[in-house]
Amino acid sequence: DAMVIQNPRYQVTQFGKPVTLSCSQTLNHNVMYWYQQKSSQAPKLLFHYYDKDFNNEADTPDNFQSRRPNTSFCFLDIRSPGLGDAAMYLCATSRDGRGNQPQHFGDGTRLSIL
Amino acid sequence: AQSVTQPDIHITVSEGASLELRCNYSYGATPYLFWYVQSPGQGLQLLLKYFSGDTLVQGIKGFEAEFKRSQSSFNLRKPSVHWSDAAEYFCAVGSNRLNQAGTALIFGKGTTLSVSS
Repeated sequence: DAMVIQNPRYQVTQFGKPVTLSCSQTLNHNVMYWYQQKSSQAPKLLFHYYDKDFNNEADTPDNFQSRRPNTSFCFLDIRSPGLGDAAMYLCATSRDGRGNQPQHFGDGTRLSIL
Repeated sequence: AQSVTQPDIHITVSEGASLELRCNYSYGATPYLFWYVQSPGQGLQLLLKYFSGDTLVQGIKGFEAEFKRSQSSFNLRKPSVHWSDAAEYFCAVGSNRLNQAGTALIFGKGTTLSVSS
C-alpha cells in the first residue's frame, strides 16, 4: 500500500544534541509537510516542501531545519533540542498542495529530551 | 482569518449510542472541510472530506458529516459508537494561500472521545 513512513517511532536525545527525524513516502506526492504536535493540542505546521521549494512558517524557530534530497524522502533536523521541543512530530504529504486535497499522515515520531 | 472551532474538548458516549462532534469554521469562500481521527500514539487518519455537492458526506468506519453553510458547521456523526472509536478527532479546513505554493490545513483544537461500556 502507498503510504507515509516515519522513522524512528520513538526517539530519545539529550538536551542540545542534534537529532534527525526521517519521513519517506510512496505516494509520489509533490508536497511534504512537517508538523509539531504537543500533548492534547492540534498539529502545528513547521514548514513544507513543494517539490524542492522550501516554505518555512513565520513562527518556526531557527533551531528547526529540513532537507528533501529527493521526492520520496524528507528530514527534520533539530540542531540543539531544548526541553520544549519534546513532542510528536508528524510528516504529511499531499499531491500538489491545493486546498481540496487531503493530507496523508505518517504515524509520527515521539521525541523525548533528556 | 480562517479558523476552526471545536466547542467540545472532551465527550463521553456509551457504547452503542449515537455520536455528534461539533465543528464550526470561519472562511470567506466555500471551504474545503476535513475530519481526521488520531488514535493514541498514532498519526492522523482521514475520515471524510467535503468540497462541494451533496452536503451529507459519508466516510470510513461508519462516520458521516453534514455541511451546513447557514450555520458554518460541519458536524461529524455516527449512529452507533464502538469502543474502538475512542480517539482524538480533528476538524480541519483547507485553504489555498496566495503567497505560498502549498496549502495550509487549519486544524481545530480537537475533541477527545471516550466510550463507556
